[in-house]
Amino acid sequence: NAGVTQTPKFRILKIGQSMTLQCAQDMNHNYMYWYRQDPGMGLKLIYYSVGAGITDKGEVPNGYNVSRSTTEDFPLRLELAAPSQTSVYFCASSYSSGGAARSPLHFGNGTRLTVT
Amino acid sequence: EDKVVQSPLSLVVHEGDTVTLNCSYEVTNFRSLLWYKQEKKAPTFLFMLTSSGIEKKSGRLSSILDKKELFSILNITATQTGDSAVYLCTPEGYGNKLVFGAGTILRVKS
Repeated sequence: NAGVTQTPKFRILKIGQSMTLQCAQDMNHNYMYWYRQDPGMGLKLIYYSVGAGITDKGEVPNGYNVSRSTTEDFPLRLELAAPSQTSVYFCASSYSSGGAARSPLHFGNGTRLTVT
Repeated sequence: EDKVVQSPLSLVVHEGDTVTLNCSYEVTNFRSLLWYKQEKKAPTFLFMLTSSGIEKKSGRLSSILDKKELFSILNITATQTGDSAVYLCTPEGYGNKLVFGAGTILRVKS
């Protein structure tokens, strides 16, 4: 039971570098989300997807991009990293069929990113 | 725009105390409200509430929803040090983004 898998667990980037945070789920969930969590703060939604080929902006999308070419994968791309992007990033997934409420979110273990 | 306000932002209690955490929300086409507990790592699911006035219970934790007044409470009785965590709530509406409140940081002292 892998659930939601995020890689890498830790990463240090220099200002201006780019990277992709990987997220994969094996539960056939249609909804996937990226959140960031700054120290002592709640979760802020970056991007989300309701199915393959469909993505939409969350609360704090600037500086990030996503794609959803398959149901399983939802990578988050950081272009031109900035110190303000230092945070812990969580990927999550859930399932909804028709008009039913979504299932609770299953979270990955997070990626701790430092930009210096 | 969806809004979620949790209170208090932080709380320090002693073992054995009872605590009440609050979550007020505004969301279009409300369907459910979920509570999560976050310790060192990723949040873990506690409760999903869809109907007003029906208490959900799990051990020493319980939660209830008021859809008329747009709030939910999470109660923890006989607190233990293992209850120390951040407690997060998120309301779900049709097609909404799943926005979280800022969370309540609970610290239980032995």
